[in-house]
Amino acid sequence: AQKVTQAQTEISVVEKEDVTLDCVYETRDTTYYLFWYKQPPSGELVFLIRRNSFDEQNEISGRYSWNFQKSTSSFNFTITASQVVDSAVYFCALLYSGAGSYQLTFGKGTKLSVIP
Amino acid sequence: DSGVTQTPKHLITATGQRVTLRCSPRSGDLSVYWYQQSLDQGLQFLIQYYNGEERAKGNILERFSAQQFPDLHSELNLSSLELGDSALYFCASSAPPGTDTQYFGPGTRLTVL
Repeated sequence: AQKVTQAQTEISVVEKEDVTLDCVYETRDTTYYLFWYKQPPSGELVFLIRRNSFDEQNEISGRYSWNFQKSTSSFNFTITASQVVDSAVYFCALLYSGAGSYQLTFGKGTKLSVIP
Repeated sequence: DSGVTQTPKHLITATGQRVTLRCSPRSGDLSVYWYQQSLDQGLQFLIQYYNGEERAKGNILERFSAQQFPDLHSELNLSSLELGDSALYFCASSAPPGTDTQYFGPGTRLTVL
């Protein structure tokens, strides 16, 4: 069974602080894909990153970085020098691909509040 | 803007009624997915279509059904609505039905009174 755990329900930081959002996943697949999505207060789901299980290189995109570690089944997301616009709910997701089905299993999300 | 469109943005209806949610995928995408986001259950996969054919079903109630039309747009039909069906319904699309990224529409917020 696929499972994604985001243990942090809510996090508050002061603007310009760094913050890390944790994501732990469970899967029996040897090939799998992990995603992060952002849901701002307006409600839409915005794609941030996709990572496959064969690529353990960390990725950096501006103030965002992701640390993928297969040994601990974790795919953590760090925001450096946080800004008020980063306030949102962030979801980690695992792609289940079996029997022609390609469905995302989402964690419960972490609500990030960046205080000015 | 993801390129996925959903209508209507908001829908308010009464218990026992039937509603239809509409989704247009990104240009060129053949796969459409429906997800439900509720406070109780979080984000849950409902159903997937590829080029007009159903590919997978998740936690979709029997009162709910969907289809994908030849022009690739999709509709999610919800009938005999209950209070607990109030949720945000998302449509997503991707290119081949595989490991490509699913891009989400803005969602339809359904309120059942």
